[in-house]
Amino acid sequence: DQQVKQNSPSLSVQEGRISILNCDYTNSMFDYFLWYKKYPAEGPTFLISISSIKDKNEDGRFTVFLNKSAKHLSLHIVPSQPGDSAVYFCARRARSLENGGSQGNLIFGKGTKLSVKP
Amino acid sequence: GAGVSQSPSNKVTEKGKDVELRCDPISGHTALYWYRQSLGQGLEFLIYFQGNSAPDKSGLPSDRFSAERTGGSVSTLTIQRTQQEDSAVYLCASSLSSGTVSGANVLTFGAGSRLTVL
Repeated sequence: DQQVKQNSPSLSVQEGRISILNCDYTNSMFDYFLWYKKYPAEGPTFLISISSIKDKNEDGRFTVFLNKSAKHLSLHIVPSQPGDSAVYFCARRARSLENGGSQGNLIFGKGTKLSVKP
Repeated sequence: GAGVSQSPSNKVTEKGKDVELRCDPISGHTALYWYRQSLGQGLEFLIYFQGNSAPDKSGLPSDRFSAERTGGSVSTLTIQRTQQEDSAVYLCASSLSSGTVSGANVLTFGAGSRLTVL
């Protein structure tokens, strides 16, 4: 059961333009979505998150949008820079029913490789 | 230390041998996670530890895989009788906690241990 789907394995964008990375999910029992960025030979690094009670979160050039009715979220990067070239992973954190809290482990998508061309 | 440290960074072994991968989490982080990334795949959850609670082993692919966390700090992932399909980058992450109901606990990843089984 692939609970988090990133259907585009790759995306190529011109420098200065907007990059839009998409993510779909199947399980509504979550409280946070997170985006991670990964460069080759390095571990993933946290980029931005969004709570289930919000529909938008912005941090500098990065904005994440959450559409709960469509079970879809997207990461917008504008303007895109060559240094943004990396693999981007969408991840969800599950919400535990037992204690009202959250399970800590994240479920990741397969990632989208972004290439920003100068 | 300042970050999550993993060793070895690279390991080449022969099919059927046992391997141990080590993870030193960030000091003070109570939650520790193991993931792996096979070639062309996303991040696959393996196991996570939270404080003194029983670990969540739901992601371990077979009984050849095991992990322990001694003294609430260092963790070792052991793969017995390695198979070629075990070849992957094994990533360790830690976070301050995993059960909070507010705030997205951010996982900090190490650079990974690349395992190649010949």
